[in-house]
Amino acid sequence: DGGITQSPKYLFRKEGQNVTLSCEQNLNHDAMYWYRQDPGQGLRLIYYSQIVNDFQKGDIAEGYSVSREKKESFPLTVTSAQKNPTAFYLCASSTRGLPSSYEQYFGPGTRLTVT
Amino acid sequence: DAKTTQPTSMDCAEGRAANLPCNHSTISGNEYVYWYRQIHSQGPQYIIHGLKNNETNEMASLIITEDRKSSTLILPHATLRDTAVYYCIVRVADNTDKLIFGTGTRLQVFP
Repeated sequence: DGGITQSPKYLFRKEGQNVTLSCEQNLNHDAMYWYRQDPGQGLRLIYYSQIVNDFQKGDIAEGYSVSREKKESFPLTVTSAQKNPTAFYLCASSTRGLPSSYEQYFGPGTRLTVT
Repeated sequence: DAKTTQPTSMDCAEGRAANLPCNHSTISGNEYVYWYRQIHSQGPQYIIHGLKNNETNEMASLIITEDRKSSTLILPHATLRDTAVYYCIVRVADNTDKLIFGTGTRLQVFP
């Protein structure tokens, strides 16, 4: 089945530790995105990548880092510099080009808890 | 900032039509309106999108006013599984393919 996988579903870390969240897609999509969601809030864009080896900061990139070495993979690292890392993290991917056919597909999310 | 305004919550009886409004008064001529929904603790799911004509698919219908300043998502026969947060999004008209999510409408379908 084609889709986006995120692992793990739940992740627990101690404060001060970096943690990397996995996102893999087999949809052959060029663009990938990372969002953060806090309770009762909408999604906020952290980073996005429109092509391999290139990525751009979103609205809340501070304390996060990404890489895009392969088309299928877009891992997100939550660093110790992120002051409030506990949140629900969502990865998405999309084709590029025609706005009439554009659609973002989302993974199931990773719920990160930092104590 | 989100470019849309939606009611915080709505209720709908099972089997009835759910009509979810959205205001996007500052929308530009080449910007599309997208609807996604998010069932609790899952990733958002695409529903439908449109530019200026009304659209319909197997999930829903999208009615966009002639001036494009507002739209309505219609779920024709709501079921309990349609209980979710529904996001109305105006896609940013640049080459970044970004979507900007607001806080959405929490739709509760009751028996």
